[in-house]
Amino acid sequence: EVQLVESGGGLVQPGGSLRLSCAASGFTFNYFWMSWVRQAPGKGLEWVANIKQDGSEKFYVDSVKGRFTISRDNAENSLYLQMNNLRAEDTAVYYCTRDLSYFDFWGQGTLVTVSS
Amino acid sequence: DIQMTQSPSSLSASVGDRVTITCRASQGISNYLAWYQQKPGKVPKLLIYAASTLQSGVPSRFSGSGSGTDFTLTISSLQPEDFATYYCQKYHGAPPTWTFGRGTKVEVK
Repeated sequence: EVQLVESGGGLVQPGGSLRLSCAASGFTFNYFWMSWVRQAPGKGLEWVANIKQDGSEKFYVDSVKGRFTISRDNAENSLYLQMNNLRAEDTAVYYCTRDLSYFDFWGQGTLVTVSS
Repeated sequence: DIQMTQSPSSLSASVGDRVTITCRASQGISNYLAWYQQKPGKVPKLLIYAASTLQSGVPSRFSGSGSGTDFTLTISSLQPEDFATYYCQKYHGAPPTWTFGRGTKVEVK
């Protein structure tokens, strides 16, 4: 059974940093691209970033470029999102997803709240 | 960038109704389109990919059609568990940056 379990969310002040983690199981992690998708409270879905199987290619939505960094550890079957210089508009539930170009498996999400 | 316009933003329907949701791309995207269902407080669920391919386990009352710029998600006979918000997502182009539509909320009439 495919499982994606996010952690690391919480309350952070504007300008602060947070690192999200996603533990993957039930599939061969290093065979797949992975993505982070977020959803602000009461809003729609927004793709944030993705990373190739070996970590050699990474892409970001324009609004997070230069502030967020996606990475992975295939030995640990883990995906990460380092978020720096956080803004109020980054407040959202962040989902870890398996990326086939569309998203067939999703984690339960972790809430990030950026507020003073 | 290719924009996705989803319509309507909401609709009211009754159990048993045929429901149609539309997604339009600002440029042709072949059949690189997926549809998701999200119930309140729940994780999004993949329904359809490649515009018309039903994801495993999804009921056959859901169907997708279209190619190029115009796409449709149809629920042939709305069931109580289908009241939810539906999103389209394009996955065409390079670099591989993906875009969702703004969603369509299907509510009880």
